Amino acid sequence: RKEVEQDPGPFNVPEGATVAFNCTYSNSASQSFFWYRQDCRKEPKLLMSVYSSGNEDGRFTAQLNRASQYISLLIRDSKLSDSATYLCVVRGLTGGGNKLTFGTGTQLKVEL
Amino acid sequence: NAGVTQTPKFQVLKTGQSMTLQCAQDMNHEYMSWYRQDPGMGLRLIHYSVGAGITDQGEVPNGYNVSRSTTEDFPLRLLSAAPSQTSVYFCASRTGTGANQETQYFGPGTRLLVL
Repeated sequence: RKEVEQDPGPFNVPEGATVAFNCTYSNSASQSFFWYRQDCRKEPKLLMSVYSSGNEDGRFTAQLNRASQYISLLIRDSKLSDSATYLCVVRGLTGGGNKLTFGTGTQLKVEL
Repeated sequence: NAGVTQTPKFQVLKTGQSMTLQCAQDMNHEYMSWYRQDPGMGLRLIHYSVGAGITDQGEVPNGYNVSRSTTEDFPLRLLSAAPSQTSVYFCASRTGTGANQETQYFGPGTRLLVL
């Protein structure tokens, strides 16, 4: 089983739609959780951290369920500019707490 | 602030050749890492460093060496290139693991083709 698993997609949605991505992680001792965004042929960039209580940043909402080892990202009112690959990232205890484990990413295509 | 810079952007090597991928950051970050990204595999950690003079192996270290003589620089050396090392390489840095210190900043990547 992969340490971090995501549905690769692609998710093709019309502009204005709401779309949700899910991610599961295998190590129950994982410490921190993130969503990164990666545009085609570019480097990943932090979209948002994910907190136990859930958190929102504009049109983006992230949720964490530690009991089920499950992370989600909800995008409301999708824009064309949201088209990208979304990476689920988990920080564990190995490597002095430095190790980030990346999912393979979920591709989103927002269409007119 | 330049952030994290990487050179070269593209490189073609022949099997058996060696080369060094350069990485530098100007944010005074202690943590630096090298990843490779391959289709369907996600980003995989090659080596990392928690400060000048300290390096350790990630999950795919074979065929690569690193050193960290300064806080700013973290070069990755391919000792004898193999076609399996064809990939996109990203260098990254972050401050630490405390609150508000976890954002990982990536360089623009180096695309390497080994023939």
